[in-house]
Amino acid sequence: QKEVEQDPGPLSVPEGAIVSLNCTYSNSAFQYFMWYRQYSRKGPELLMYTYSSGNKEDGRFTAQVDKSSKYISLFIRDSQPSDSATYLCAMYRGGGKLIFGQGTELSVKP
Amino acid sequence: DGGITQSPKYLFRKEGQNVTLSCEQNLNHDAMYWYRQDPGQGLRLIYYSQIVNDFQKGDIAEGYSVSREKKESFPLTVTSAQKNPTAFYLCASSVDNYNEQFFGPGTRLTVL
Repeated sequence: QKEVEQDPGPLSVPEGAIVSLNCTYSNSAFQYFMWYRQYSRKGPELLMYTYSSGNKEDGRFTAQVDKSSKYISLFIRDSQPSDSATYLCAMYRGGGKLIFGQGTELSVKP
Repeated sequence: DGGITQSPKYLFRKEGQNVTLSCEQNLNHDAMYWYRQDPGQGLRLIYYSQIVNDFQKGDIAEGYSVSREKKESFPLTVTSAQKNPTAFYLCASSVDNYNEQFFGPGTRLTVL
C-alpha cells in the first residue's frame, strides 16, 4: 500500500464547475499538508499549505484536512481553463522529507 | 530575480554515459532537493541536502550521486548504474526542512 494515494484521473470538467481533488494517507504522523499545481513540462508551484484539521481558503481554492480520517481535499470553485494542470498533494513525514501523491490531471473545458 | 535555475532543459544521453544536471538557487536557502518524476508516479526523492557539505539519500538514490560544495549549487550526476534514467528531474530548495519547497523548471533526460 502506498503511503499517499491520489486518484490520477484524468478529470475533465466544464468551465465554472466545482472541482474536488482528494488524497488519502496511511501514516498518522504525517503533518504539514500541501497542494501543488504543475503545468505541463514545468516545475510544481505551491497552492495551499495547511497544518491542522479544518478548512483553509484562498480565493477560489479551499484546502480541507481531516486528520481523523487521514484524508485531504482541494476544492476549486468557478473553475477556469487556466486551472487545467496536474495537482499534486504532498505532506511531510519524519526527517523533513516530503512525500507526494501521484498527481491528478485536470482539464477545464471552455 | 530570485529563484531556482536548472540546466539544460532537455538532455540526451547514450547508454553507459554519466551525465550531470545543474541546479542553482539564489534564494539563500539552506536545504536543497532532487526529485524524479515519471508519468503517473508523482515525485520521488533522490537526494537532499540540509546544509553545505552534507547530503542524505532519499527513497531512490541508487545510480545517482550529488555534491554540495556551495550553498547555492546542488548538481546531480546520473551514472551508468541507473537502470532506467529517462525521466523528468526536478530540483527544489527551502529555507529549512518543514517550509515550502520551491521548484526549478526541470530537466528532461532521455537515454537513447
